[in-house]
Amino acid sequence: NAGVTQTPKFRVLKTGQSMTLLCAQDMNHEYMYWYRQDPGMGLRLIHYSVGEGTTAKGEVPDGYNVSRLKKQNFLLGLESAAPSQTSVYFCASRPSGTGELFFGEGSRLTVL
Amino acid sequence: AQRVTQPEKLLSVFKGAPVELKCNYSYSGSPELFWYVQYSRQRLQLLLRHISRESIKGFTADLNKGETSFHLKKPFAQEEDSAMYYCALFQGAQKLVFGQGTRLTINP
Repeated sequence: NAGVTQTPKFRVLKTGQSMTLLCAQDMNHEYMYWYRQDPGMGLRLIHYSVGEGTTAKGEVPDGYNVSRLKKQNFLLGLESAAPSQTSVYFCASRPSGTGELFFGEGSRLTVL
Repeated sequence: AQRVTQPEKLLSVFKGAPVELKCNYSYSGSPELFWYVQYSRQRLQLLLRHISRESIKGFTADLNKGETSFHLKKPFAQEEDSAMYYCALFQGAQKLVFGQGTRLTINP
């Protein structure tokens, strides 16, 4: 019973490098989300998706891109990483009709 | 704008003492509110939702529309309650907005 799985769990990048975080859920949820967690800032929404093939901007979308080509996967990309993107990234999903989110374990990204 | 405020970043109480984690919100519609918890080295998980009006692990939270608050309470704190707590507002349709979080530490 995997739920929401994020890969990788840890990554160190140099400024300017690119990378992709993968989120996979096996619960057939329609909605998927990417948040970043920073001390004193709580959880801030980066991008989200309301279904396969759709994406939308959240509160802090700059510097990130996303794709939802398959219902079960939601990818978060950093085209040119910056030190300000050092954070813990959480993916979450939820079914329609409820506000209950199911979270992944988080991915810790450090940009040097 | 919809907003969730948790005024305390850190809260420390002794074991057996009462605990109250504050949460205030601003929302023009009918709010749906949640408390999420993150224990050390575990993923975020749902603790309470106001609709169900339940008590989980001894915690309760009452929605006060007049004061626009959804404070989380427990009469007798336990060491295993030490965690990060987030209040969240479901904006309907799509998004959940989180507060800044409160790190609760229960001292023995």
